[in-house]
Amino acid sequence: AQSVTQLGSHVSVSEGALVLLRCNYSSSVPPYLFWYVQYPNQGLQLLLKYTTGATLVKGINGFEAEFKKSETSFHLTKPSAHMSDAAEYFCAVSDDSSYKLIFGSGTRLLVRP
Amino acid sequence: DVKVTQSSRYLVKRTGEKVFLECVQDMDHENMFWYRQDPGLGLRLIYFSYDVKMKEKGDIPEGYSVSREKKERFSLILESASTNQTSMYLCASSRRLGGGTDTQYFGPGTRLTVL
Repeated sequence: AQSVTQLGSHVSVSEGALVLLRCNYSSSVPPYLFWYVQYPNQGLQLLLKYTTGATLVKGINGFEAEFKKSETSFHLTKPSAHMSDAAEYFCAVSDDSSYKLIFGSGTRLLVRP
Repeated sequence: DVKVTQSSRYLVKRTGEKVFLECVQDMDHENMFWYRQDPGLGLRLIYFSYDVKMKEKGDIPEGYSVSREKKERFSLILESASTNQTSMYLCASSRRLGGGTDTQYFGPGTRLTVL
């Protein structure tokens, strides 16, 4: 069975600092990996996804994530945090056998002025 | 622009009431999903549908049912609402042909409170 672990339910950074949100997955087959963002009072929006090919994936709003098979990780990064990045971020996994997504528990990003 | 709409943003119901949550997508997607979102638990799949009149249970289907009579519309039904069903409910849709690679598009959510 697939699963996703997001370390840290809350992460706080200063504006301009590096953002690092951690995601580790468990899957017995090649995974597809996703990061979604949820701004206050909104639904989820896709930030980026890894399916095949290049392991460094660039997404919207300056975010990127790297698929590391040996570490079963798909951490999300952004070089410089902006106040507008404050939101909840969800990592998710699926595979070829299903179009269902398995979500992590989410990480709330706080950006301090 | 892709759009998934949900009938209500906020809903307050009483214990024992029958509750209908409606979701409509305009992207001609085959797959539609209902999730509930609770703090610290992420999103958990209640039901999904891969075609009209077709449905499959997700991880937490107890206490819920669904209906999909038209491709664009997917309804979640709480037959007899209980306080432990107080939650945020999110609807999503995706294409079927892409399998697990396809992006799911989400509605804004319905925050349901059961008193």
